[in-house]
Amino acid sequence: GDSVTQTEGLVTLTKGLPVMLNCTYQTTYSPFLFWYVQHLNEAPKLLLKSSTDNKRTEHQGFYATLHKSSSSFHLQKSSVQLSDSALYFCALSPGGYKVVFGSGTRLLVSP
Amino acid sequence: NSKVIQTPRYLVKGQGQKAKMRCIPEKGHPVVFWYQQNKNNEFKFLINFQNQEVLQQIDMTEKRFSAECPSNSPCSLEIQSSEAGDSALYLCASSLRGDEQYFGPGTRLTVL
Repeated sequence: GDSVTQTEGLVTLTKGLPVMLNCTYQTTYSPFLFWYVQHLNEAPKLLLKSSTDNKRTEHQGFYATLHKSSSSFHLQKSSVQLSDSALYFCALSPGGYKVVFGSGTRLLVSP
Repeated sequence: NSKVIQTPRYLVKGQGQKAKMRCIPEKGHPVVFWYQQNKNNEFKFLINFQNQEVLQQIDMTEKRFSAECPSNSPCSLEIQSSEAGDSALYLCASSLRGDEQYFGPGTRLTVL
């Protein structure tokens, strides 16, 4: 079946350092991939989306490239800020009104 | 910014009581999803609609959970007889095509 794997439950970093949050997926369809960010006591918000192989997509300093050959859509940022501390969810939509979420990665940025 | 409205923001019920929460999707979005986000922050899909029709739902919702999205009224999710394990954040999301989703702030249910 369709699935999303986020290997890190918690990532802690000092501000100014780069970050990469892992996301791999399994599906037999040609999917849309998404990253959502959820700050404390807030709604999840769409951060990035892509369905195009090997094309980098960027928003608010975050970027990700969908690699269909490795079934990956890792989220990256070159320099994290304190305000980036949040939960990050990778999600897959294989079509058919179905969306599958990963288990989430909590990013904690310290001064 | 998302314009999905969820009410109430907080709901406290005793075990066995009914719990009802509502969602107004973003204007023009025909697809509505309900999720349960547990204390480990995991998303559990409950049910989705396209306009007033149920598209998919999990087994759990067929027993104590009921949901509807009537025309010209808010969508709703109701738990007929709340259990302690139902304590969670219930998120409503709306979508234009059923893929990219816009979430409301959620209803945090506490079952005592």
